[in-house]
Amino acid sequence: EDKVVQSPLSLVVHEGDTVTLNCSYEVTNFRSLLWYKQEKKAPTFLFMLTSSGIEKKSGRLSSILDKKELFSILNITATQTGDSAVYLCAVTYYGGATNKLIFGTGTLLAVQP
Amino acid sequence: EAQVTQNPRYLITVTGKKLTVTCSQNMNHEYMSWYRQDPGLGLRQIYYSMNVEVTDKGDVPEGYKVSRKEKRNFPLILESPSPNQTSLYFCASSGTYLYEQYFGPGTRLTVT
Repeated sequence: EDKVVQSPLSLVVHEGDTVTLNCSYEVTNFRSLLWYKQEKKAPTFLFMLTSSGIEKKSGRLSSILDKKELFSILNITATQTGDSAVYLCAVTYYGGATNKLIFGTGTLLAVQP
Repeated sequence: EAQVTQNPRYLITVTGKKLTVTCSQNMNHEYMSWYRQDPGLGLRQIYYSMNVEVTDKGDVPEGYKVSRKEKRNFPLILESPSPNQTSLYFCASSGTYLYEQYFGPGTRLTVT
């Protein structure tokens, strides 16, 4: 069964801490892995990863993909209260005759002052 | 401003009463998709469209219909809504299938 599993399910940290969020997947014909941030309503795009070992970085956020071990991590350094959100991981792959996309259930991050 | 719009944002309806949730994007994107989000289950894809007149089922298509007659619009149709379709629905679009999707603001649907 194709699946995307995120861990931990939830996390509480203090401002200034560094956090690592995990996303592992089991799909055939992998194409890409995407990270989104969901605050109040609609998810917003963070990163897309297609190649192993190449770090994507945006400010205090960074992400890397390991296609051999089938996982990705999202790092957030010097966390701020505005980083509090649900972080979603999604994987696109080619399933049979059609393109597929599945999301993990997300990691809820709470950053306390 | 580049955006995806959905209407209505909130809807309470009764079992069996047909409804349509509209979705429109102004970015000339080819790929559009509908998701539902439920607690503990995350975002699940209902239907997607690679281009005009090209649609395909996602993971949970039962009870839903879609159409893509124009590039900018991708309405979601519930012919006979049931209470298990109570959910938060998102429409999304992207330039191509693989790349970042822009999500609409969501439609909170309650079926009684």
